[in-house]
Amino acid sequence: AQKVTQAQTEISVVEKEDVTLDCVYETRDTTYYLFWYKQPPSGELVFLIRRNSFDEQNEISGRYSWNFQKSTSSFNFTITASQVVDSAVYFCALSEEGSASKIIFGSGTRLSIRP
Amino acid sequence: GAVVSQHPSWVICKSGTSVKIECRSLDFQATTMFWYRQFPKQSLMLMATSNEGSKATYEQGVEKDKFLINHASLTLSTLTVTSAHPEDSSFYICSASPTGLGPLVYEQYFGPGTRLTVT
Repeated sequence: AQKVTQAQTEISVVEKEDVTLDCVYETRDTTYYLFWYKQPPSGELVFLIRRNSFDEQNEISGRYSWNFQKSTSSFNFTITASQVVDSAVYFCALSEEGSASKIIFGSGTRLSIRP
Repeated sequence: GAVVSQHPSWVICKSGTSVKIECRSLDFQATTMFWYRQFPKQSLMLMATSNEGSKATYEQGVEKDKFLINHASLTLSTLTVTSAHPEDSSFYICSASPTGLGPLVYEQYFGPGTRLTVT
């Protein structure tokens, strides 16, 4: 069975601080995909990244970076020099290749960036 | 490209009535679409997987007779909440997976969501 755990329910930091959102996943498949989505107050999901299980290279995109470690089943997300516009709920998600394309979401982390 | 729309974006209905939500892939064909429900301050929960031309597959605990799903074309799936009650008030989000990519899920595009309020 697949499961995604985001232990941090809410995080609040001051603008310009770095912040890391944790994500731990469980799966029995050897082929799977991991995602991060941002959900601003409008509700619309914003796709941030997709990673397949065979690619453990860390990724950096501007102020965003992701650390994928299969050994600890973690896929953490770091925002560097946070900005107020980063305030949103962030979801980590998982899909197994054999699960008919279903995406299972973690419970989400509500991130608040204070000016 | 790869835009998914939902209509309506919000709807208020009276208890006991039915409401239909449409999910359209605007610039691609989608054999498979998914319906999620999100209660306030909670995560997205998958309700069902909708396959064009066949019956939807519902997740455990989701009443198929209450949440009717129709995927009659490669660009349109509909979710009808029948005999709606206040506890059905939620944010409903659909997603679509482009045809031709097989079982690979990495290409899945989400709609903007529909906020349903049942009074």
